[in-house]
Amino acid sequence: GAVVSQHPSRVICKSGTSVKIECRSLDFQATTMFWYRQFPKKSLMLMATSNEGSKATYEQGVEKDKFLINHASLTLSTLTVTSAHPEDSSFYICSARENRQQATNEKLFFGSGTQLSVL
Amino acid sequence: GEDVEQSLFLSVREGDSSVINCTYTDSSSTYLYWYKQEPGAGLQLLTYIFSNMDMKQDQRLTVLLNKKDKHLSLRIADTQTGDSAIYFCAEYNFNKFYFGSGTKLNVKP
Repeated sequence: GAVVSQHPSRVICKSGTSVKIECRSLDFQATTMFWYRQFPKKSLMLMATSNEGSKATYEQGVEKDKFLINHASLTLSTLTVTSAHPEDSSFYICSARENRQQATNEKLFFGSGTQLSVL
Repeated sequence: GEDVEQSLFLSVREGDSSVINCTYTDSSSTYLYWYKQEPGAGLQLLTYIFSNMDMKQDQRLTVLLNKKDKHLSLRIADTQTGDSAIYFCAEYNFNKFYFGSGTKLNVKP
């Protein structure tokens, strides 16, 4: 199946610093990628939809100046948590939807996640 | 957004069958999915079903869809300890995926 690589897998940072998380589709092109946040024992919360070559679409309640998304190519999207605070500590997961000429079904492939801990 | 609900926990003995249930609210969903998440990892697509089907079987996995009741289930035959994980159902609608809260499956040896 398609592979999505997410890096880093774990990051610990001081409060006030910025952290960048990368999401790459390794063997397919993805015009659309999604960023999720997962709290312990909770479901995935969609943060934003990342669109190649255009601005990301943020879900209600997600601060776009806090969570910067860049989708500069068909295989790479980045999420930057700016001026991170302890409440930003969470598990962040990216996913990518494969571009297909005839979309007989939509499939979403996930990265392995990034555990962010802000001290 | 859409409302997708699952029970939080399921515990079974190794070798038994597991049935994980999910309900959703939007009848216009085109596809419904089951994902598996192991600790500290991302989600792995297990299987999916098109909304005009009522059953799909894939080796040990059987998906049942009752569109009238908006009920989806995943049956795992001969459950193994390696099946212990969190299982998420998801529906695809309006260009987005909506996930349930996840069911933690615990398989006892």
